[in-house]
Amino acid sequence: EPEVTQTPSHQVTQMGQEVILRCVPISNHLYFYWYRQILGQKVEFLVSFYNNEISEKSEIFDDQFSVERPDGSNFTLKIRSTKLEDSAMYFCASSSSLARGYTFGSGTRLTVV
Amino acid sequence: DQQVKQNSPSLSVQEGRISILNCDYTNSMFDYFLWYKKYPAEGPTFLISISSIKDKNEDGRFTVFLNKSAKHLSLHIVPSQPGDSAVYFCAASMVSGNTPLVFGKGTRLSVIA
Repeated sequence: EPEVTQTPSHQVTQMGQEVILRCVPISNHLYFYWYRQILGQKVEFLVSFYNNEISEKSEIFDDQFSVERPDGSNFTLKIRSTKLEDSAMYFCASSSSLARGYTFGSGTRLTVV
Repeated sequence: DQQVKQNSPSLSVQEGRISILNCDYTNSMFDYFLWYKKYPAEGPTFLISISSIKDKNEDGRFTVFLNKSAKHLSLHIVPSQPGDSAVYFCAASMVSGNTPLVFGKGTRLSVIA
């Protein structure tokens, strides 16, 4: 069964450093998403991406965040200057149609120290 | 503003009995609802969905009920099995408005053998 792949599974970074979280969505999917889950809290929407541009973003997705689909297969989330409160599980997801059953990756646990 | 609420953080059920997970929403524009299941160290996995034109959708042991007037949906698992132990997330979207999924905080289900 096709799956969404995320790397790395765990990333530890110092506050203020830049991090790039990587995702390989399912190849024939057209919509891509990043969500995050801070420990003990709900899964929060960050950003959706379609047709090589951001289609929607949440209040969390401020100027410190950016997404890119550099080569037609990878979908990356960059955090320019990490803060302690960015520590969370970051999930990438893709779907063939908007708002249907997304396929999620296993997540990247980001720990900012 | 929590648009999707799962008020029970945890639920314990005996193996073979029925598990009922509840979810409430506040946005009357939501017209598509999904349940996801999440095991530790894995991403959420799509379980079952329901459109607002229906009030029930069944898939094997899993049934989702939707009460639009009460803005309430529930997931029934019958019979519950130990392998069902996981965190269950309710999610909602506005298909007509092409919005991303909005998740609840999740309910941790423990099925006791």
